Amino acid sequence: AQSVAQPEDQVNVAEGNPLTVKCTYSVSGNPYLFWYVQYPNRGLQFLLKYITGDNLVKGSYGFEAEFNKSQTSFHLKKPSALVSDSALYFCAVRVNSGGYQKVTFGTGTKLQVIP
Amino acid sequence: DGGITQSPKYLFRKEGQNVTLSCEQNLNHDAMYWYRQDPGQGLRLIYYSQIVNDFQKGDIAEGYSVSREKKESFPLTVTSAQKNPTAFYLCASSNPKTSGSTGEQYFGPGTRLTVT
Repeated sequence: AQSVAQPEDQVNVAEGNPLTVKCTYSVSGNPYLFWYVQYPNRGLQFLLKYITGDNLVKGSYGFEAEFNKSQTSFHLKKPSALVSDSALYFCAVRVNSGGYQKVTFGTGTKLQVIP
Repeated sequence: DGGITQSPKYLFRKEGQNVTLSCEQNLNHDAMYWYRQDPGQGLRLIYYSQIVNDFQKGDIAEGYSVSREKKESFPLTVTSAQKNPTAFYLCASSNPKTSGSTGEQYFGPGTRLTVT
């Protein structure tokens, strides 16, 4: 069985400071890893993904994520946080499961950027 | 949310009534999904469909039904058998053919269902 853990329900960071939102995963085989962002009462928006290759993945809105195979982690990062980054962030993992590629989402981390 | 529409945004129903949530996409995606979102629980998969006229149960299908008669449409019916239907429902689609089989999903804006 595959799983994703987001150990922090909420992360608070001051505007302009670097931010990190943590994600660890458990999966058999090679994972495909994703980050999504959700603003209040909206659907999820795709931010970035790791499939293979360079461990540092760059995505939308200045976000990046670092894949660490030995630590089974895929932490989301941004060098300088904006108030507009305040939202709910979801990590997700996918592997092949027969004909259907099941996606498992984490429980989400609320990011609060303080002006 | 581009390309996927869900209606209505808010829906109120009395207990014991069936209700159908709409999901339409114009992205020409083959695969479509329904998720339920509850506070602190992330997203849980209800049903998915990889192709027209075919769909499969997800992790929490009991009390729900779907149809996939057209590629663009994947409506979800919440039946009276669903014990706790009040939730935020999200529809998504993906197309492995164009995303290199990596399958990132594109989500609609969601429907908040309240059953009293």
